[in-house]
Amino acid sequence: QKEVEQNSGPLSVPEGAIASLNCTYSDRGSQSFFWYRQYSGKSPELIMFIYSNGDKEDGRFTAQLNKASQYVSLLIRDSQPSDSATYLCAVNTDKLIFGTGTRLQVFP
Amino acid sequence: EAQVTQNPRYLITVTGKKLTVTCSQNMNHEYMSWYRQDPGLGLRQIYYSMNVEVTDKGDVPEGYKVSRKEKRNFPLILESPSPNQTSLYFCASSLGRLQPQHFGDGTRLSIL
Repeated sequence: QKEVEQNSGPLSVPEGAIASLNCTYSDRGSQSFFWYRQYSGKSPELIMFIYSNGDKEDGRFTAQLNKASQYVSLLIRDSQPSDSATYLCAVNTDKLIFGTGTRLQVFP
Repeated sequence: EAQVTQNPRYLITVTGKKLTVTCSQNMNHEYMSWYRQDPGLGLRQIYYSMNVEVTDKGDVPEGYKVSRKEKRNFPLILESPSPNQTSLYFCASSLGRLQPQHFGDGTRLSIL
C-alpha cells in the first residue's frame, strides 16, 4: 500500500466550477499536511497547509482534513485555466512523503 | 527576496565523473532536504538535514552524499554518477521538519 495516494487524473473541470482533489494516507501518526501546485517543468509551489481536523480556507482554496478517515482534500472554487497543473499532496510523519499528484485541467 | 538557489540548473555529464549540485537558502531555515522526481514515481527524498552537521538518509540515498557545514548550504554530491541517476532534482528548506518546505527551481541532470 502506497503511503500517500492520489488519483492521477486528469481531472477536467470547466472554468468557474469547483475542483475537488483528494488524497489518502496510511500513517495515523501523520502530523502535518500540505498541498503543492506544480506546473510542468517547474518546482512545487506551496498552496495550503493544515495541521488540525476541519477546514482551512485561503482565498479560492480550501483544505479539508479528516484524521479519523485519513484523508485530506483540496477544493478550488471558481477554477481558472491558470489553475491547470499537477497538484501534489504531501504528508509529514518523520519525513515528508509526497503522492504522485493529480493533474487538473480547467477548460474555458 | 527569500529563496532557495540551486546550481547548475541543467547538466549533462558522463558516467563516473564526480559532480556536485549546490543548494543555498537565505531564510535561516534549520531543515533542508534533497528530492528527486521521476515520471510515475513522484518526489522521493534522498537526504535531509535537521541542522548544521546533522544529516540523515531519506528513501533513496544510494549513490548520493551530502554535507551541512553551514546553515545556509546543503550540497548534493554524486561521487560516481550512473545513468539511473538521470532525474530532476529539487532542494528544499523549511523552519522545521513539520513546517512547509520551500523548493528551489530544480536541477535537471542527465548522466550518459
